[in-house]
Amino acid sequence: DTGVSQDPRHKITKRGQNVTFRCDPISEHNRLYWYRQTLGQGPEFLTYFQNEAQLEKSRLLSDRFSAERPKGSFSTLEIQRTEQGDSAMYLCASSSTTGLAYEQYFGPGTRLTVT
Amino acid sequence: ELKVEQNPLFLSMQEGKNYTIYCNYSTTSDRLYWYRQDPGKSLESLFVLLSNGAVKQEGRLMASLDTKARLSTLHITAAVHDLSATYFCAVDRSERMNRDDKIIFGKGTRLHILP
Repeated sequence: DTGVSQDPRHKITKRGQNVTFRCDPISEHNRLYWYRQTLGQGPEFLTYFQNEAQLEKSRLLSDRFSAERPKGSFSTLEIQRTEQGDSAMYLCASSSTTGLAYEQYFGPGTRLTVT
Repeated sequence: ELKVEQNPLFLSMQEGKNYTIYCNYSTTSDRLYWYRQDPGKSLESLFVLLSNGAVKQEGRLMASLDTKARLSTLHITAAVHDLSATYFCAVDRSERMNRDDKIIFGKGTRLHILP
């Protein structure tokens, strides 16, 4: 396993369009997290899953955002009716609840530009 | 609400010098993470600190945790140009008995080491 992967790495879209990102976690990890990072800031938590259950959504995640993890493996993050303020790097991370540290491993991110 | 503050936010230093980055957080936590991020890249885990007084070292970087003071430090010894990056601390907000591993990031310290 080569780590957390995300697709696409870059996405340019016009305002009002819908976009969907995919994250494939490390295979044995049961927790999966989505973060958003804007320039000069630290990552901000959006939502997380344990297996297929979405356990928490940040208030940053408006109704235009939806995330799924249908089989407890890969996850998708969809943004409907994109706005320029959605431009950011979207990071996915995964972790395992076995072991002590529950360390999160991050993917390379998807950079979204809304024009 | 857990808040994480780093200082300085930007640091320019000469090769061979020593310096310390500080991370303060506002509520009790028992896990603290340090990550490195290169421009345009994702986050690389550096250290996980799990208990009061924990100290970890890797090469020229050493991290410590004082849970009573709610303070962690990342010390750089004899800096080299390759250490130029942005360093984030992140604090786990979870209660011991209800761990969800949601971590809150600081804004990051952008470190620029001059050759």
